[in-house]
Amino acid sequence: SAVISQKPSRDICQRGTSLTIQCQVDSQVTMMFWYRQQPGQSLTLIATANQGSEATYESGFVIDKFPISRPNLTFSTLTVSNMSPEDSSIYLCSVEASNLKGGYTFGSGTRLTVV
Amino acid sequence: QKEVEQDPGPLSVPEGAIVSLNCTYSNSAFQYFMWYRQYSRKGPELLMYTYSSGNKEDGRFTAQVDKSSKYISLFIRDSQPSDSATYLCAMSGSVGTALIFGKGTTLSVSS
Repeated sequence: SAVISQKPSRDICQRGTSLTIQCQVDSQVTMMFWYRQQPGQSLTLIATANQGSEATYESGFVIDKFPISRPNLTFSTLTVSNMSPEDSSIYLCSVEASNLKGGYTFGSGTRLTVV
Repeated sequence: QKEVEQDPGPLSVPEGAIVSLNCTYSNSAFQYFMWYRQYSRKGPELLMYTYSSGNKEDGRFTAQVDKSSKYISLFIRDSQPSDSATYLCAMSGSVGTALIFGKGTTLSVSS
């Protein structure tokens, strides 16, 4: 199955600053998904990133706040811009598993705290 | 009504118990059903993947899907303290589309 390296694993940031989260996959994948998991909540899709095109954002998420880059088939970044304490969450990237088991593989997550 | 409903628990059981976790959903287009386990401060780990209705077994874990009732279940036999985690159900309508998750059920297995 695809292996995802996500970094940083955690960070504490000042409000008003930006943080860029990186996901590197060990195989080529068409679609990459970015999720947010707020404290005590489930995973909410932020956007879908397809290499070579603009990311598609879900309702409630906008490109100015969460710009995404997808320069090739193995890498993507998500930036959380102009952060506020409400952005404190775990951010996860995900890709379809590349084996017969099916399903989706997740990175280990980035735990962001905004102070 | 949320697309996927899952009782958040917490659920506490003694070691060796049989655990039943459930989700209901409203979107009849869902065809792919998954269960993930998430330990504290870790990303979700895929446990079971099922297409359409039916049962699937993998070791101590059994996943059931009843599309007519829009109901999925995960059974854990002979539960172990290492099974203590949050269990998330997830589903999608087609290959390559993002998953819709339940809120997760927190399970604690005591020795």
